Order: sequence, then C-alpha cells, then structure tokens
Amino acid sequence: EPEVTQTPSHQVTQMGQEVILRCVPISNHLYFYWYRQILGQKVEFLVSFYNNEISEKSEIFDDQFSVERPDGSNFTLKIRSTKLEDSAMYFCASSTGTDGGTEAFFGQGTRLTVV
Amino acid sequence: KQEVTQIPAALSVPEGENLVLNCSFTDSAIYNLQWFRQDPGKGLTSLLLIQSSQREQTSGRLNASLDKSSGRSTLYIAASQPGDSATYLCAAVNTGSYQLTFGKGTKLSVIP
Repeated sequence: EPEVTQTPSHQVTQMGQEVILRCVPISNHLYFYWYRQILGQKVEFLVSFYNNEISEKSEIFDDQFSVERPDGSNFTLKIRSTKLEDSAMYFCASSTGTDGGTEAFFGQGTRLTVV
Repeated sequence: KQEVTQIPAALSVPEGENLVLNCSFTDSAIYNLQWFRQDPGKGLTSLLLIQSSQREQTSGRLNASLDKSSGRSTLYIAASQPGDSATYLCAAVNTGSYQLTFGKGTKLSVIP
C-alpha cells in the first residue's frame, strides 16, 4: 500500500543550526503538507504546497521555515537557525484532490530535538 | 478560527465493550472531518473521512457520524479489543482552506 515516507526518523541538532526534514509523498498526490506536534500538545498545521508553490501557511510558518520540492518525488522542510522551541515531531502529509476535500495521509514523523 | 475539542481526554474500558468518542467543532463550514489513530511516538493513521455532505461512514468495527448543524462528530467502536488502545484524533478541514485543524485527542485504553 502506498505510504508517505519521512527521513530521518529522529534528528538531534544544536540551537542555531539549520535542519532539513525530508518527505516522499504518495506518488499520485498533488497536495503536500507539513504539520508539527509539540510533546503533549495538539497537531498544528504549518504549510500546504500545491503546484510548486505554497497555497496556505500558518502563523507558525515564519521566515525561519521554508519548503521545497526539489525533484519529482521529494518534499522538504528547512528550518534555519533552530530554536529550543522547535523541538517537536514533524509530520509530512499528502492528498490527491482539490479544495481540501480528500483524505490526507501522514508519514511516521521526524522527531526533532534541539539542544 | 476553527476550534476542535475532544471529550473525554482519556477513556478506559474493558475488552468487548462498545464505546463512543466525541468531537466538537466551532465552525460548521467544513469540507470534511477525518478521524485518525496515533500510537505512542508514531505517526497518524487515517481511519475514516466524512465529507460535509455525508452523515456517516463505516469501516469494519468503526462508525463515524457527522452533524454539521450541531458541530459534532462521533466515532463509535464496536466490540473493543486491546489492540484498539491508542489516541484517537479528529480533525476538520474548513471550506476554502486546505489545513486540518486537530483536536487534542482521546487516549483510549482497552483492558483485557
């Protein structure tokens, strides 16, 4: 069964360093998303991406964050100059259709620890 | 701004019992509502998606209902099993948006 794949599963980085989280969405999906979950809190939306551009972003997704689809299969989230409060589980998701009307499938997540 | 609430935060039931998990949302202008399962330290597994035009969806022992006018959805689990132990999340997608707004989840423990 097709699935969303995320790498690495766990990353530890020093405060101030840049990190890139990688995702391979399901191959026929057109919409891609990043969410995060701080330990013990709700899953929060960061950004959605369609047709090689950001379609929507939350207040959390500030200039520190960027997304890219560098080739036909990968989707990345870059965090510049990480802060302690960026420590969280980051989830990539994808869906097929338009207007948010279809099912979103999530990866297993990357646990980011900033020390 | 959409707010999603799930009650109860935790639930413990004996194996074999039928149970209902509740989800409420403040803005009824939704495209769909999706239920997920999350195991500790793991990703989100989609269980059921209900489109705004639907009243319910079923998958095996799971049945989800949607009442847009009252801003409520329920997830019914029949004949619960220890393997059902997990956190169950509901999330809504608003009209004109692409983002899922999540509740905090209900942590279910099924006791053998």
